[in-house]
Amino acid sequence: AAGVIQSPRHLIKEKRETATLKCYPIPRHDTVYWYQQGPGQDPQFLISFYEKMQSDKGSIPDRFSAQQFSDYHSELNMSSLELGDSALYFCASSSRGGNQETQYFGPGTRLLVL
Amino acid sequence: AQTVTQSQPEMSVQEAETVTLSCTYDTSENNYYLFWYKQPPSRQMILVIRQEAYKQQNATENRFSVNFQKAAKSFSLKISDSQLGDTAMYFCAFMKRSTGANSKLTFGKGITLSVRP
Repeated sequence: AAGVIQSPRHLIKEKRETATLKCYPIPRHDTVYWYQQGPGQDPQFLISFYEKMQSDKGSIPDRFSAQQFSDYHSELNMSSLELGDSALYFCASSSRGGNQETQYFGPGTRLLVL
Repeated sequence: AQTVTQSQPEMSVQEAETVTLSCTYDTSENNYYLFWYKQPPSRQMILVIRQEAYKQQNATENRFSVNFQKAAKSFSLKISDSQLGDTAMYFCAFMKRSTGANSKLTFGKGITLSVRP
């Protein structure tokens, strides 16, 4: 079965640079979520999109923005990167209704800010 | 706001034995889902089991089962016949059931489970 795809899998950036993370949800899934997991931490919700509209917002810095495109893939844009942004960034997807309200996670993008 | 508490930071179990991981949560919601996710050293987040709050029957998935006590707001995971591949961090998570778009997951701090050969 197809899974959530994230790219790149690893990313190294310098402070103050920008980064773009991409997420391709499971086919026919209409909701995408972004989570940030710091070292030794639990995942923290950043933002979600349902049918290409922002549906919920968590602890996402103003330096970050995200969107979902017409093909349902999503991108997380991170600017003015700080050392503290180093983390594992997960994308998850789900579908409304029935037993589909379960979030399936991608493999994550490991971001290291130097 | 919802909170999820996993008070045991780590546990260890002998291969082939049974272990129970604890989780409690706090919410004012009546309709919600509870999940256990597994995160092995690869750091992939893998769904283990899910429970709908409106279902009284405890969910089971092969060697994994839950003890869901709604009144006590408790949701423990039992792993039977533990295998070396069960070694991982386990996260308990809460999701409100919404009539609109699906809701975010709120995670506990996780518990590190080590299975000894």
